[in-house]
Amino acid sequence: DAGVTQSPTHLIKTRGQQVTLRCSPISGHKSVSWYQQVLGQGPQFIFQYYEKEERGRGNFPDRFSARQFPNYSSELNVNALLLGDSALYLCASSWIQGPTEAFFGQGTRLTVV
Amino acid sequence: AQTVTQSQPEMSVQEAETVTLSCTYDTSENNYYLFWYKQPPSRQMILVIRQETYKQQNATENRFSVNFQKAAKSFSLKISDSQLGDTAMYFCAFSGTASKLTFGTGTRLQVTL
Repeated sequence: DAGVTQSPTHLIKTRGQQVTLRCSPISGHKSVSWYQQVLGQGPQFIFQYYEKEERGRGNFPDRFSARQFPNYSSELNVNALLLGDSALYLCASSWIQGPTEAFFGQGTRLTVV
Repeated sequence: AQTVTQSQPEMSVQEAETVTLSCTYDTSENNYYLFWYKQPPSRQMILVIRQETYKQQNATENRFSVNFQKAAKSFSLKISDSQLGDTAMYFCAFSGTASKLTFGTGTRLQVTL
C-alpha cells in the first residue's frame, strides 16, 4: 500500500505569491493534518481535516487555508507569501479523528525568496 | 494547552551501545497518546513507538522501548544496540482530545563507530 504522498517535493516562490501544496492520505484514512516545520524546530500544527470538515486550526494567519476533497486528499494554500513561510510542510494522515498515531508524507520544502 | 519538552538538543552514542532520550510534557488531560518519531536527513517523519496512556505496561518495539511515568509526566525512549541507521532527529509528541500532535523541539542523535 502506498504511504502518504505529497507534491511537489520542492518549491521556490517569490514573496507575495500564492502556493498550493497537495497531499494524498493512506488508503482508508479519513483524517489529514498539515504541519509546518521550520529548520531546527519541531513541526507546528496548522490544520486538521476529518470527513472533509475542518476539525482543528493552529495559530497561523488567515493567509493559510486548506480543504479536503471527497477522496480525502487535501490541499494547503498559502497566500501573500512571506520569507518566514519558508519551511518544510508536512502532511499526516490517520484513520480517525482523536488521539491516535499519524503517518507522515515526505514533505514539501518551500523556499520563499 | 499541552507542551512537550526535550531537554537534550544533541546526543551521541557508539554503535551497539544503549542510549536514552528524555521527554517531559504537561497536560490536564487524563487519557492521551504519546509518541516518538524519528526524522532522518531524508526528512520523512517515521513513527518509532507509541504509548497509550491508559495502559500501564511500557511499550516496546524491537530495540526501542519507553519508560512512561504518568505521574511525573515523563516519557523517555531507550534505544538498545544502537545502529548507524538510528542517526536522526528524534521528536517526542503528544496527542490528546484535540487529536493534533504537539511536538517537542527534538534531539539530534548521532551514532558513531
